[in-house]
Amino acid sequence: EAGVAQSPRYKIIEKRQSVAFWCNPISGHATLYWYQQILGQGPKLLIQFQNNGVVDDSQLPKDRFSAERLKGVDSTLKIQPAKLEDSAVYLCASSLVGDRGYEQYFGPGTRLTVT
Amino acid sequence: AQSVAQPEDQVNVAEGNPLTVKCTYSVSGNPYLFWYVQYPNRGLQFLLKYITGDNLVKGSYGFEAEFNKSQTSFHLKKPSALVSDSALYFCAVRDGRRGSTLGRLYFGRGTQLTVWP
Repeated sequence: EAGVAQSPRYKIIEKRQSVAFWCNPISGHATLYWYQQILGQGPKLLIQFQNNGVVDDSQLPKDRFSAERLKGVDSTLKIQPAKLEDSAVYLCASSLVGDRGYEQYFGPGTRLTVT
Repeated sequence: AQSVAQPEDQVNVAEGNPLTVKCTYSVSGNPYLFWYVQYPNRGLQFLLKYITGDNLVKGSYGFEAEFNKSQTSFHLKKPSALVSDSALYFCAVRDGRRGSTLGRLYFGRGTQLTVWP
């Protein structure tokens, strides 16, 4: 079974530039999550999708971050404009129905450095 | 509010010795508890979970964890550590009640486990 795919793996941009990350979840997983993991901390949920609808985006900085999952499969996360404090690893995860005890499966992450 | 505490930033143990990585939690409803492991430059890998039932749960790579409701703890254990177990370990909790935003996982800060030969 293929795992969660993410690209790119690494990205370096200057502040005020924009960047986009892509995620392809495990086939059949209805729920998709984007996390931000700052160095030395645990992952923090940014947004959760159930199929192509947003379930929880309460911790997404909506003035600069946006995400979509148009066809209920792939997803993109965008930052525009980036700030220095956005430097982090962005993890995508997927699971079966999110409202139960199913574990989440994580992709390898995208390491973003904002200079 | 939900939260997880991992009181030790680092745990060092000799190969062959038992290991314990500690986790305590706070959650409003019944807890769903998870342990994940992270190797360098890789995403998190699921180890085990407690949803309901037996307080001792067994997971991948010989790891197990014990749910203690009175102490609100979910410590990760392994009877005999391997050098290859060296990694960053995360405990996570979510509220077990049904509902949209209740599905959010809250992670601890992580514990770096080092097993020396």
